[in-house]
Amino acid sequence: AQSVTQPDIHITVSEGASLELRCNYSYGATPYLFWYVQSPGQGLQLLLKYFSGDTLVQGIKGFEAEFKRSQSSFNLRKPSVHWSDAAEYFCAVGAPLNFGNEKLTFGTGTRLTIIP
Amino acid sequence: GAVVSQHPSRVICKSGTSVKIECRSLDFQATTMFWYRQFPKQSLMLMATSNEGSKATYEQGVEKDKFLINHASLTLSTLTVTSAHPEDSSFYICSALDPRDYPYEQYFGPGTRLTVT
Repeated sequence: AQSVTQPDIHITVSEGASLELRCNYSYGATPYLFWYVQSPGQGLQLLLKYFSGDTLVQGIKGFEAEFKRSQSSFNLRKPSVHWSDAAEYFCAVGAPLNFGNEKLTFGTGTRLTIIP
Repeated sequence: GAVVSQHPSRVICKSGTSVKIECRSLDFQATTMFWYRQFPKQSLMLMATSNEGSKATYEQGVEKDKFLINHASLTLSTLTVTSAHPEDSSFYICSALDPRDYPYEQYFGPGTRLTVT
């Protein structure tokens, strides 16, 4: 069974500073990997996803993530955060062998706080 | 992009009553939808997978008689919380697979906040 670990429960970053949110996964093969963002009381918005190919993935809102197979990681990065980036971030892994019935396993989330 | 809606966004009900939550795919036909539950400051836990025209597949530990899921059309899935109790209070989120994407991607609804008093 797949699993996802987000080691950082809460991160505080100054506006304009760089950001890296960590995500480690456990899966027997190359998984499908996702990063979602959730604002308070809202649903999830997809930031980016990785299925295959280039291991550096560009997403929306200036985010990127890098798949590192050797480290079983898919860390999310942004060079300069904005106050509007304050939210909860979830990493998720899906099983690519079950097309049409993808089940996602979510990490526990990282809450991002931005300070002026 | 694909849009998924949920109704209602918030609902308060009394203990012992039932409440229905709707999940709709607005601009695509979704043969598969998912229902998640999220407790405050916690992650999303998959409750069940809903396939159009067939019975839902529930995750281990989820009471199928308490959380009734009906996927009657390609654009609508409903979750009915029967005989609700305060411990059922939670944030319920649905998602839908858009078969036009490959590999398939889940699009999430905005969620429904259920409070049982």
